Amino acid sequence: DTGVSQDPRHKITKRGQNVTFRCDPISEHNRLYWYRQTLGQGPEFLTYFQNEAQLEKSRLLSDRFSAERPKGSFSTLEIQRTEQGDSAMYLCASSPFDPYNEQFFGPGTRLTVL
Amino acid sequence: DAKTTQPNSMESNEEEPVHLPCNHSTISGTDYIHWYRQLPSQGPEYVIHGLTSNVNNRMASLAIAEDRKSSTLILHRATLRDAAVYYCILRDPGSGGSNYKLTFGKGTLLTVNP
Repeated sequence: DTGVSQDPRHKITKRGQNVTFRCDPISEHNRLYWYRQTLGQGPEFLTYFQNEAQLEKSRLLSDRFSAERPKGSFSTLEIQRTEQGDSAMYLCASSPFDPYNEQFFGPGTRLTVL
Repeated sequence: DAKTTQPNSMESNEEEPVHLPCNHSTISGTDYIHWYRQLPSQGPEYVIHGLTSNVNNRMASLAIAEDRKSSTLILHRATLRDAAVYYCILRDPGSGGSNYKLTFGKGTLLTVNP
């Protein structure tokens, strides 16, 4: 399978715990994006990497959120001290370096904070 | 960012054509019109994009009004697998810092009846 993969697909945690999600983009794509989607809403942009450089973070990404892409390949998104409001689908997408590019999305990680 | 307006929901019958409208009255001359769709429990997937001329691909057709203030995504023969949320998104590939991210609205929920 050469698509974008995300792990885990589902995560249930208790409020206050830390969680980490992983995204493996399509191998030749140097752009990687994280989005968050709550029920009934479209995805909202969180952050963007070009290779290993994190070039933009949305104001939605509070200090409790951190994302990395250490070698320009896979990426992790960590949420510290989770809150119930963090419950959402976290989507990862990748694209090649092309301004008209389409973004290829993974299946998402559904986070439930109890 | 230029905004788009879509109906919240639409209904169609299987094997009939579907016309999904999108209004974007504040579109700029360099904005491309992109469509993505999101099947249940999946990440969004690219459908089609265009600038001024009508566009066709294996999934759909995109009809763009002459003044570019509206567009219509056309599914020629809807199938049950086309039931999804359809998002109309404007992107300017030359806008520098913000051209890489997708700004989703709530989209149109398409129901296909057997």
